[in-house]
Amino acid sequence: GQQLNQSPQSMFIQEGEDVSMNCTSSSIFNTWLWYKQDPGEGPVLLIALYKAGELTSNGRLTAQFGITRKDSFLNISASIPSDVGIYFCAGRNTGNQFYFGTGTSLTVIP
Amino acid sequence: GAVVSQHPSRVICKSGTSVKIECRSLDFQATTMFWYRQFPKQSLMLMATSNEGSKATYEQGVEKDKFLINHASLTLSTLTVTSAHPEDSSFYICSALNPRQGSETQYFGPGTRLLVL
Repeated sequence: GQQLNQSPQSMFIQEGEDVSMNCTSSSIFNTWLWYKQDPGEGPVLLIALYKAGELTSNGRLTAQFGITRKDSFLNISASIPSDVGIYFCAGRNTGNQFYFGTGTSLTVIP
Repeated sequence: GAVVSQHPSRVICKSGTSVKIECRSLDFQATTMFWYRQFPKQSLMLMATSNEGSKATYEQGVEKDKFLINHASLTLSTLTVTSAHPEDSSFYICSALNPRQGSETQYFGPGTRLLVL
């Protein structure tokens, strides 16, 4: 199936640094979702966005639904070792189909 | 919150046997569930959409006779890998749409690791 363009593919950062990742689509989405997946586990929902321009926070995480409805970003502030994992974006289009990003692997160096 | 469980969490079976994986929505009713397959260091690959009370919709390239899906109730969908072979070894993950959020959000189960010897 179709996949969203997610970048960067991987990140290696120092503990305490901020992180930013984004997803883009060639088509309009009605919903953007951000998940985190730990090794051997299922993805866990971090933030859900339902309106263009919406900016939502969940602790140190902030995500925005792009105004064009074709992109979204996720920021993590003051990273900590437990932020390590793979982050996936997902979008639901006007046809109620879900698409997933290719994932961003985050490594936090203590 | 919306909780989805999967059972078993891991299974090892002999080649040629069939394996059933259960996906349950614990605190909500889900008319739609999804089954994914994930290879190491890769994204989720949608296998099929499971609809309660009707036949599943399979993605292109996924054999419906190989991967049997049954969604008999609003809280349970099962995936049966029939006549499993080593190439079927993978991480299988289900998800469910939460109607309380307009069915716009997928909640995932913890996954099932299948190893076929």
